[in-house]
Amino acid sequence: NAGVTQTPKFQVLKTGQSMTLQCAQDMNHEYMSWYRQDPGMGLRLIHYSVGAGITDQGEVPNGYNVSRSTTEDFPLRLLSAAPSQTSVYFCASSPSRGGYNEQFFGPGTRLTVL
Amino acid sequence: QKEVEQDPGPLSVPEGAIVSLNCTYSNSAFQYFMWYRQYSRKGPELLMYTYSSGNKEDGRFTAQVDKSSKYISLFIRDSQPSDSATYLCAMEPSWGKLQFGAGTQVVVTP
Repeated sequence: NAGVTQTPKFQVLKTGQSMTLQCAQDMNHEYMSWYRQDPGMGLRLIHYSVGAGITDQGEVPNGYNVSRSTTEDFPLRLLSAAPSQTSVYFCASSPSRGGYNEQFFGPGTRLTVL
Repeated sequence: QKEVEQDPGPLSVPEGAIVSLNCTYSNSAFQYFMWYRQYSRKGPELLMYTYSSGNKEDGRFTAQVDKSSKYISLFIRDSQPSDSATYLCAMEPSWGKLQFGAGTQVVVTP
């Protein structure tokens, strides 16, 4: 199993550009999520999905869109990038609910918006 | 005010020392308490989790939860240079929606 994979590893955008961060998992996990990590802030939840076709907002959703058409993939779209979106983005996945289920994180995408 | 507070450090200790990390929280709905380890430029990986109050031990690592004080701790015994990383506490008010502390950077010097 590859686990949780993210592409690209690094990206530089100009203000106003759009892009999609890709996330895929091969563990057949129902739950997938996106976090951003900023210095001194820890990780903050952007959007999450409890299954194909179901998404919801997390703590910091503004400026980001998501969709979940398959169990495996959960892309994060920046429609019009802003310097405040400069961050490291992590995708995570977890098995179905019921007791405690570990979240598995991808290696991250480092995004710089100029 | 953030729901989960964690001192960002850095915390520098000599090899073999005990590392003591802690977090405080304000939401009494938290049930699961996790510690993640994150090496530089890597994703977080789960180190330990505990449910409700009490202690849990795994090798050199011990996690403690005191729900009455809203305080959790992680202790690393016989610390090694390979333990140098950022340690993040996390709590789960509802399925999958983790709330993280800021992370404490730990440096273990040989």
